[in-house]
Amino acid sequence: SQQGEEDPQALSIQEGENATMNCSYKTSINNLQWYRQNSGRGLVHLILIRSNEREKHSGRLRVTLDTSKKSSSLLITASRAADTASYFCATRPTLGAGSYQLTFGKGTKLSVIP
Amino acid sequence: DTAVSQTPKYLVTQMGNDKSIKCEQNLGHDTMYWYKQDSKKFLKIMFSYNNKELIINETVPNRFSPKSPDKAHLNLHINSLELGDSAVYFCASSQDVSSTDTQYFGPGTRLTVL
Repeated sequence: SQQGEEDPQALSIQEGENATMNCSYKTSINNLQWYRQNSGRGLVHLILIRSNEREKHSGRLRVTLDTSKKSSSLLITASRAADTASYFCATRPTLGAGSYQLTFGKGTKLSVIP
Repeated sequence: DTAVSQTPKYLVTQMGNDKSIKCEQNLGHDTMYWYKQDSKKFLKIMFSYNNKELIINETVPNRFSPKSPDKAHLNLHINSLELGDSAVYFCASSQDVSSTDTQYFGPGTRLTVL
């Protein structure tokens, strides 16, 4: 069953602005990951945040995780045209057969206008 | 060097035909996956193999049969293709089934059933 839900579905910003995408999920997780998909390409892993972490940074990316609200956010600072892509959150459940797999949301389509 | 490769990149075929998609990874990973991405970009796990053994088999019609001849390859055979099978199919791999593993995706195979 679908676990993550990204919000908004689509986001359009000017180059240089910050972009924030949110992800909500339903069950207890071991970790949450964010992936990027450029048009016509496969997904590329961006960052992983564990359930006992609240915030993580990687370059221009900042991810937060609130397990009490079952939500995460991805912030891209100083956006560039090359950041134009779809962004997916993926969750790894804590227990059970589902813990072997990642469950992806529907993604946020980000357009950065030069 | 391509880490995860898939062939073919595009596949157009008639309803009722049988087709195969091949996947190879040169990362030395133990675990491989097949995902289906529909027209709304929703990405759903289909199968996963760890060391050539099936560990995830989601609710997928048995017209879909994965085959893993060795750890580096996971092929997907589809019998009696239907219109609803049209989608982009992604192969992915990870080091193993560890919960913190990130996944590396292939470029995708766009299947169009006419």
